[in-house]
Formats: sequence, C-alpha cells, structure tokens
Amino acid sequence: EVQLVESGGGLVQPGRSLKLSCAASGFTFSSFAMAWVRQAPKKGLEWVATITSGGSNTYYPDSVKGRFTISRDNAKSTLYLQMDSLRSEDTATYYCAKGRVPDYWGQGVMVTVSS
Amino acid sequence: DIVMTQTPLSLSVAIGQSASISCKSSQSLKYSDGKTYLNWVFQSPGQSPKRLIYQVSKLDSGVPDRFSGTGSETDFTLKISRVEAEDLGVYYCCQGSYSPTFGGGTKLELK
Repeated sequence: EVQLVESGGGLVQPGRSLKLSCAASGFTFSSFAMAWVRQAPKKGLEWVATITSGGSNTYYPDSVKGRFTISRDNAKSTLYLQMDSLRSEDTATYYCAKGRVPDYWGQGVMVTVSS
Repeated sequence: DIVMTQTPLSLSVAIGQSASISCKSSQSLKYSDGKTYLNWVFQSPGQSPKRLIYQVSKLDSGVPDRFSGTGSETDFTLKISRVEAEDLGVYYCCQGSYSPTFGGGTKLELK
C-alpha cells in the first residue's frame, strides 16, 4: 500500500524558511517522479514543484520559483521541500504526491505564514 | 501555462441521480507520445485528494464503474451515474501534458 507521510509544517514568520519532509513507502520510491501540491484554506489545488526520479531535474511554477527547492533522498525514500522567503500567500496545506501527474497523495501538512 | 476551466462551480443532486462536470483546457492536452494526460481527482471534506480517473477515461483501481470520463483535445467530461452519499465533495480536473495545472473545482452537494 502506498503511504506518503508529510512532516515539518507549522507557523512561521514572513521572510523566514521552513523545510517539509515526506516519508514514502509501499512502492519503489527511486523509480518515480514526485511532486508537492498545495491548497490554500478553502481554495483549490495548486502544483508547487516536481522532481524526476533520479533527482536531476526539477520544475516549479513562477509563484515559487527561486524561493522553493524540491529535493529527494532515494536511499531514505524521502522527499523534501525547502521553502525560503515565505510569504503570507504561501499559507496552505502542502501535499506530497507520487508521480509527475499525481496518482497518490499524502494526508498533508499545514504551513501558516504570519507575524 | 495551461488554464483548466471547470463548470459548474457547484452541482446539487439527489441520491440516485446522475451528475456531469465539464473541464476545458486552453490548449490541446494530447502529448507528443499520443496520450492525453487528463485526470479527475476527488476530495471529500477534510480529506486529501484521491485520483479517480487518468488519461481521460481509465478508472483507478477500486473506483466504481458509476464513474466515467470522456473527451479529447481540449474538452473533457466526468459523469457520475446514480450518485451516492460517498460521492459528495469536490472534483478537480488536472492536466499533466504540460507542467501540472488544476481546474478550479466543482462541489457536488446533496439536493
């Protein structure tokens, strides 16, 4: 059974940094691209970042490019999202998702950016 | 960026009735490999999203055949026949032929 468990969320001040982690199990982690998708409170879904299976290529929308960095450790089956220069509009539930076009999603972790 | 436009924004149905949701993309979603990467994703209240349909019409394992997906190029439809209480929530279309983008969502409610 595919399991994706996010951690690392919380309350952070604008301009500060936060790093999310996602522990994956139930599939061959190193064989799949992985992604982060977020959902602002009472809003829809927004793609945040994708990383290829080997980690050599990463992709971001303009809204987070230059501020967020996706990475992975295939030996630990763990996905990461480093979020720098956080803004209030980054407040959202962040989901770890399997696949370039997600087929499985984690339970999500809340990030609140506020002073 | 590819813009995905879903209609309607909300849909009220009685249990046992059918429901239909439209999703239109700003460009053709047919990828260079000949496949069309259009998914339908469901989110029940308080839960994380779950994929229901991929590549326009292929049902994920465990998804009842009351659900069906049709369409091509830029126009896609999700149909639910005989709506059940467990189907209530928000449905999103999602394209993966380019950098992923989602439709705005359609909330399926009980009439």
